[in-house]
Amino acid sequence: SQQGEEDPQALSIQEGENATMNCSYKTSINNLQWYRQNSGRGLVHLILIRSNEREKHSGRLRVTLDTSKKSSSLLITASRAADTASYFCATDTGRRALTFGSGTRLQVQP
Amino acid sequence: DAGITQSPRHKVTETGTPVTLRCHQTENHRYMYWYRQDPGHGLRLIHYSYGVKDTDKGEVSDGYSVSRSKTEDFLLTLESATSSQTSVYFCAIVDSRSNTGELFFGEGSRLTVL
Repeated sequence: SQQGEEDPQALSIQEGENATMNCSYKTSINNLQWYRQNSGRGLVHLILIRSNEREKHSGRLRVTLDTSKKSSSLLITASRAADTASYFCATDTGRRALTFGSGTRLQVQP
Repeated sequence: DAGITQSPRHKVTETGTPVTLRCHQTENHRYMYWYRQDPGHGLRLIHYSYGVKDTDKGEVSDGYSVSRSKTEDFLLTLESATSSQTSVYFCAIVDSRSNTGELFFGEGSRLTVL
C-alpha cells in the first residue's frame, strides 16, 4: 500500500483561484516533499518540509505539515493555466528511497 | 538539470523478450533509482543503487534486475518481459551536493509489452 495518499484524485478550478491538495501518510517521516509532473514528463521537485516544521512557503506555494495527523497540504495560490499538472507527495522515512502517493491531477481552466 | 538521460524513450516489445533500459548521468552522483509509474499507483520503487556494484531491491522488484558497473550508468533489465510490465519507467538520482534527498528525474521510458 502507498505510504502517501493524495486527496482529491482530480481537481478542476478556474484561473486565479487557489488549489489545495492533501496528502496523508502512515509512518513517521524525516521530511515530506511535493513534486509536479507535466503530462509526458518526469517529476520535478517543488518543495520540502522537514518533520519539525509546520509550514513553508515558496513563491505561490504553501505547504503545511501536521505530524500528529500524519498529513500535509499543498496550496497553490492564484493558479494559472500553466499550473495544470499532476502533483505528488513523497515521504522520506530514512529507509531506501522516497515513497510516492498516487497523485492529484490539477486542471486550471483559463 | 542533473544531467540524466534515459534510453530508449519508447519501446514496444513482445512477451518473453529481454529488455534493457539505460539511465545515464554525467555528474557522478552516488544514488540512483528506478521507479515505474502506472495509473492509480503513483511511482513505485523497483531497484536502487548507492554506488558501483551496490544495488538493492525496492517494493516491486520481481521480474527485474539491475546492474551498475560504472558510476554513470544504471541499467534495468527485464529478463523476460510480461504484459504486466507495460509501464513508464523513470530513473532518478539524488544530487550529491544536496543534503535534503530530493530526487531529480529523467524524462521516462515508455515500455509496451504486447
